[in-house]
Amino acid sequence: DVKVTQSSRYLVKRTGEKVFLECVQDMDHENMFWYRQDPGLGLRLIYFSYDVKMKEKGDIPEGYSVSREKKERFSLILESASTNQTSMYLCASRPVGRVGEKLFFGSGTQLSVL
Amino acid sequence: DAKTTQPNSMESNEEEPVHLPCNHSTISGTDYIHWYRQLPSQGPEYVIHGLTSNVNNRMASLAIAEDRKSSTLILHRATLRDAAVYYCILRDVGDMRFGAGTRLTVKP
Repeated sequence: DVKVTQSSRYLVKRTGEKVFLECVQDMDHENMFWYRQDPGLGLRLIYFSYDVKMKEKGDIPEGYSVSREKKERFSLILESASTNQTSMYLCASRPVGRVGEKLFFGSGTQLSVL
Repeated sequence: DAKTTQPNSMESNEEEPVHLPCNHSTISGTDYIHWYRQLPSQGPEYVIHGLTSNVNNRMASLAIAEDRKSSTLILHRATLRDAAVYYCILRDVGDMRFGAGTRLTVKP
């Protein structure tokens, strides 16, 4: 089975801290994604990566950066966490190929910034 | 990106069929229609996808209108485990944008 693993299920940080959210997939997928999910807003795309060392901004990249040094790992970085970044963060991966290829999601990281 | 419109919520009785609608009037000829669902406390999971023809798999069926401006996800016999948020998404070569979806409640 495809596995997308997010390093923490729950995380509590202070305002101004630098926060790293890690995501690892074991299926050799080229594409990886970071979403955040807030009540009533659905999932919003933050950043995605088509391959190693490549990154593209999604719809809400402000306040975030990403790193993809290895194919299996995609990190989301909050340079200086703020309370409005309290959210559920979801990582996903997908193989490149046909348009119909499906996304595989991790279980999410609930981040609280105090 | 083409947008989709779904009802905010729907209710169903257990063991009855459920038809979840999705409108996508601005769909382009190369957009695939994808459905995902998100169970409580989990990440979304793939349900089904199609382009023009109706599709069936072990989880659900996807009925696509002839003009492709709408589609319906069909759960043939809802169970309590089908209670989730269901997302209808269009994708061509871009990346998947999820809306707020439809929250399905299944009553025993």
